[in-house]
Amino acid sequence: DIQMTQSPSTLSASVGDRVIITCRASQSISRWLAWYQQKPGKAPKLLIYEASNLESGVPSRFSGSGSGTEFTLTISSLQPDDFATYYCQQYNNYLYTFGQGTKLEIK
Amino acid sequence: EVQLVESGGRLVQPGGSLRLSCAASGFTFSSYWMSWVRQGPGKGLEWVASIRQDGSDKFYVDSVEGRFTISRDNAKNSMHLQMKSLRAEDTALYYCARVGGGWFSSWGQGTLVTVSS
Repeated sequence: DIQMTQSPSTLSASVGDRVIITCRASQSISRWLAWYQQKPGKAPKLLIYEASNLESGVPSRFSGSGSGTEFTLTISSLQPDDFATYYCQQYNNYLYTFGQGTKLEIK
Repeated sequence: EVQLVESGGRLVQPGGSLRLSCAASGFTFSSYWMSWVRQGPGKGLEWVASIRQDGSDKFYVDSVEGRFTISRDNAKNSMHLQMKSLRAEDTALYYCARVGGGWFSSWGQGTLVTVSS
């Protein structure tokens, strides 16, 4: 099974900061990676699919990059609404795995 | 607008059974793979099971293989998860999700399953 490791687990940042969250796969997944945002008590929301494609309606300050085993989610200028938990997710051979999550906190 | 509404979650004893349902609307249900994803209390997301558009292929995470069965009724725009031999570690909020490619493009609000004596 493919394991996904996110770092950091917790990130403290301020409004306006540029933040980067990293996700590593235990083996190559090409570009089969998605990113989600989840706020407390809410369902996850798709942000990025196929490593770098922005889901419709998601602000352009969010971007994704990477391929193979190394991926990043970048928020170019943090807004108050962005403080949440972020998950990466891989797809390979009809099976899916999520990273453990990165909680983005207000500094 | 895509809508996914889960139901069926409740308190159940260890070893018991439960059937979850997901009612879909706002899209052509029969054209999409569908999945269940769960989230334990205070924990991360875990994919549970997926089913092909016509129900011919089903896939499960190892921890539920042989205990859970995913199914769908395209005539009723619904999906189900039959769970048996439930364990404490199955306690979670269970989300219904529409699959788009290799990702989950739409989610319901979840139904809570609690396994406890």
